[in-house]
Amino acid sequence: GDSVTQMEGPVTLSEEAFLTINCTYTATGYPSLFWYVQYPGEGLQLLLKATKADDKGSNKGFEATYRKETTSFHLEKGSVQVSDSAVYFCALIEKGDKIIFGKGTRLHILP
Amino acid sequence: KAGVTQTPRYLIKTRGQQVTLSCSPISGHRSVSWYQQTPGQGLQFLFEYFSETQRNKGNFPGRFSGRQFSNSRSEMNVSTLELGDSALYLCASGRQTPSTDTQYFGPGTRLTVL
Repeated sequence: GDSVTQMEGPVTLSEEAFLTINCTYTATGYPSLFWYVQYPGEGLQLLLKATKADDKGSNKGFEATYRKETTSFHLEKGSVQVSDSAVYFCALIEKGDKIIFGKGTRLHILP
Repeated sequence: KAGVTQTPRYLIKTRGQQVTLSCSPISGHRSVSWYQQTPGQGLQFLFEYFSETQRNKGNFPGRFSGRQFSNSRSEMNVSTLELGDSALYLCASGRQTPSTDTQYFGPGTRLTVL
């Protein structure tokens, strides 16, 4: 079945560092891909999405490109801030109408 | 526009009891999905409703059930609670089905089973 694998955390970076969180997926067709973020004590917020190959999703300085050839959707940000500290979830959805999530990557940004 | 609201936000129950959680979707949204989040299993799909019909169900025992009302509000019920049911239960809503429209999540209900 469909699945999402993302890098295990926690990831600890200093403020203004470059961020990459790796995400790869397995799917039978052409899923839509998402990154969600969960701040402490809150629900999930959609960070960005891409619905077809080579699409780039972007929001709040974060970017991810849908790479069909490598089945990847890595999250990047050029300069992280303390306020980016959160748990990040890579996810996909296909025909089954259920979102399949990765395990999540906890990100700590040090001032 | 108001977001997805879930009530109650926190709940403490004992084993064997039952519980009902409520989700009010964003106005105009007809799809509601439920997810269970635990540290060990991560986020797992429970069920999805669209216009009062359950269209999909995850791999959970029959103790987990739900329904959706004509105003799109949804309830989830768990009977005969077990310790392993302790989790954050998240609800998401969308204008259309999850595969065709963005889903927006509520803050969740934190259920603790003692």
